Amino acid sequence: GAVVSQHPSRVICKSGTSVKIECRSLDFQATTMFWYRQFPKKSLMLMATSNEGSKATYEQGVEKDKFLINHASLTLSTLTVTSAHPEDSSFYICSASISGRVDTQYFGPGTRLTVL
Amino acid sequence: SQQGEEDPQALSIQEGENATMNCSYKTSINNLQWYRQNSGRGLVHLILIRSNEREKHSGRLRVTLDTSKKSSSLLITASRAADTASYFCATDDSGGSNYKLTFGKGTLLTVNP
Repeated sequence: GAVVSQHPSRVICKSGTSVKIECRSLDFQATTMFWYRQFPKKSLMLMATSNEGSKATYEQGVEKDKFLINHASLTLSTLTVTSAHPEDSSFYICSASISGRVDTQYFGPGTRLTVL
Repeated sequence: SQQGEEDPQALSIQEGENATMNCSYKTSINNLQWYRQNSGRGLVHLILIRSNEREKHSGRLRVTLDTSKKSSSLLITASRAADTASYFCATDDSGGSNYKLTFGKGTLLTVNP
């Protein structure tokens, strides 16, 4: 149980295009979802926290107009990287929480974004 | 800034040996968790230890927590080649919203067959 999926698993796009990444909780309802970014051989950096039906809370230094997050249902959150540039290339990982407590956070398999 | 700092950054051992990784943090915490990540994959939760616990076991894993030193260790006994992965500690900052995890930089463990 507690499976989180991400789609796509990898995407290559041209500079200037927008890319949408989906994060789904497959067998539970996620009131809170988290989006992380990970550079090669580095740790995970929390980008934002999203609660179903409300605006996401972004971490300091993360551009909310650049990284649009929508959590429209209890099983789906999306991250849209707008006008992507090569520096946005990274590994994006989502996690989902049932009650908003960190000890129930389940991670997706990640999405590798490469911007040419 | 990173809450957790693991050491060593990289560890290479032979199959059958034990592997010990350490994590230090700076602020008070509610709990500390260890995760494993295979290259290019998502995170797998290994174990959670609460701030009022000192030691926890799960299979070949043993985690200790010393809140006075703000440090934790992860011991993997009788290592296997399949244990090769990056290992991260993550803290739930008790001074924060209790909703966020702060990850350390990770230890890359290589178990040679």
